[in-house]
Order: sequence, then C-alpha cells, then structure tokens
Amino acid sequence: DAGITQSPRHKVTETGTPVTLRCHQTENHRYMYWYRQDPGHGLRLIHYSYGVKDTDKGEVSDGYSVSRSKTEDFLLTLESATSSQTSVYFCAISDNGAGLEDTQYFGPGTRLTVL
Amino acid sequence: DQQVKQNSPSLSVQEGRISILNCDYTNSMFDYFLWYKKYPAEGPTFLISISSIKDKNEDGRFTVFLNKSAKHLSLHIVPSQPGDSAVYFCAATPPGTYKYIFGTGTRLKVLA
Repeated sequence: DAGITQSPRHKVTETGTPVTLRCHQTENHRYMYWYRQDPGHGLRLIHYSYGVKDTDKGEVSDGYSVSRSKTEDFLLTLESATSSQTSVYFCAISDNGAGLEDTQYFGPGTRLTVL
Repeated sequence: DQQVKQNSPSLSVQEGRISILNCDYTNSMFDYFLWYKKYPAEGPTFLISISSIKDKNEDGRFTVFLNKSAKHLSLHIVPSQPGDSAVYFCAATPPGTYKYIFGTGTRLKVLA
C-alpha cells in the first residue's frame, strides 16, 4: 500500500469555524489531490497540486483553500465551515499526474461533520 | 455537467455469475480510463486500467472493455465473489491535464 495518511480521521465541528485537514505521503510523489465523496456525486476534485507551492482548483473549490509547502504534505482548509461541507474527504497522490499508465493512490479518508 | 457517467447506482449478482459494470463518457479526447474499488470506511483502491489504443485489458477475474465509438467502457468480473461487494468507480483522464474525472459509482452486491 502507498504510504498516505490523513489526519484527523474523524472531526465534528460547528458552522463558521475554520478546519484544516492534513494529507501526508511517504512516496515522494509529485502530484497530490483532495476529493470529497458525497452520495449521488461520486468523487469530486476540490484542489490539486503539481509540485511544492503549485496548486490549482478542481470542480468544487469554492469555500476551500490548500497549501503545499513541502513534497510530503498537502493541507486542505475550510476557512469557515458550512453544513454543505459535511462529507468524506480523500487525499490522493500520483507519480505521473494523470499521464498514461498513471495510477492514483488514495488515503483512508477523513469524515467531517459540520453542525 | 457529468463527463463520466455510471447510470446504474446499484447491481446485485449471484456468486459465481458474471458482474458487468458500465460507464459512459462524453469527451472523445479522454485517452486513459481506470476502475477503482471502494469498501466502506476505506479509500478507493486501483483495480484495472485501459488506454484508448486498446479495446480490452484483462487482469485475472477482471476485464475492462473499451468501445471508443460508443464512448463506453465496461468492467466484467468473472466469477463474482462475495468479497467483490463494494462500490466501483470509473475514472477518465483528459489529455493535457493532471486531473482524473470520476463517475458517481455503482454499488455491487454479490449474493452468496
């Protein structure tokens, strides 16, 4: 299994509070991704990174920001959490950035509940 | 606008029979496709992939078929086993991007 950890694994927070989720990898992969999984929507890309300090938006980036100050860590921040951000969040890594024969490896997920 | 679609949210199959999971896509420029399996409370795991230059790829009990003219791919599992019960996602990679686009998933239940 690829060395990907996510912390925390579970979090309950209140509307309006800031929340930061951490993804840590030991594979030295260049590309990192944050997804959310919701019933009926599958996996939707929030933000991704193609190198240290290089990030870009995915399809559902509103209300989220990311930072990547070193290869192994990719942080997802909800500046002011809302109930619509209750979801399961997955981090993923890849070596070749969706190139041919590339594969994404996923972390175990973080279940976030915003009350 | 869903570029990768899995129109069957769920599927039940008897153990030992064939499971066929379907996926449609809208962009003819997609050049690489993957299937992932996801168990509850775990992250998705890679299952099998196919590039657009092929029409079939096999790995043990799993075969993926690609029909480019129909913009359709399917995953065949033969024979199905109870341990195959999971949610299956198909994904596609648009050329020139670093992104994967996922479908909404199909929940497979293999009945013993």
